Amino acid sequence: GAVVSQHPSRVICKSGTSVKIECRSLDFQATTMFWYRQFPKKSLMLMATSNEGSKATYEQGVEKDKFLINHASLTLSTLTVTSAHPEDSSFYICSARDEGEFNEQFFGPGTRLTVL
Amino acid sequence: RKEVEQDPGPFNVPEGATVAFNCTYSNSASQSFFWYRQDCRKEPKLLMSVYSSGNEDGRFTAQLNRASQYISLLIRDSKLSDSATYLCVVNYSTLTFGKGTMLLVSP
Repeated sequence: GAVVSQHPSRVICKSGTSVKIECRSLDFQATTMFWYRQFPKKSLMLMATSNEGSKATYEQGVEKDKFLINHASLTLSTLTVTSAHPEDSSFYICSARDEGEFNEQFFGPGTRLTVL
Repeated sequence: RKEVEQDPGPFNVPEGATVAFNCTYSNSASQSFFWYRQDCRKEPKLLMSVYSSGNEDGRFTAQLNRASQYISLLIRDSKLSDSATYLCVVNYSTLTFGKGTMLLVSP
């Protein structure tokens, strides 16, 4: 299947700093990418839909000024957690939709964020 | 009411056992359905799509009942490597995930 990469895989930062997570589709172009967050023993929750060349669409309750999303090219979307706090510690997973024949979503390996 | 509901488990079964997971969804306009597998601290990976006619992939059989808004997954001849969390996923305009059902297969 198609490959989606995420970087970094793990990050530990101090409270108040900003953290940028990159999501890349390696062998296909993705007009649409998605950012999810998963807390321990909870389901994946969609945070926002990232649209290439336009503004992201955020789910209810997700602060767009805190979670900045940029989708500048067809293979790269970034999520920046601004002024991170301990409650932002979570597993962040991106996915990219391959809009070919099967219109399948492929997931990145995730980024584990720990805010001290 | 939660959009996608699953029994969290864990289901503890011996190797070789048959185990079934169920899932219900609330949005009757949902368009497509999937089972994903997620290993601990890893991303979810597509296991199989689910169709009303039922579909089988080796030891795995998935079934969809649109009238009851119910999805099932049957795993036959369980292997140790089947131990994971199985996520029921429903697609309307975006993917909605259940919390997952944990399966533990023991020797």
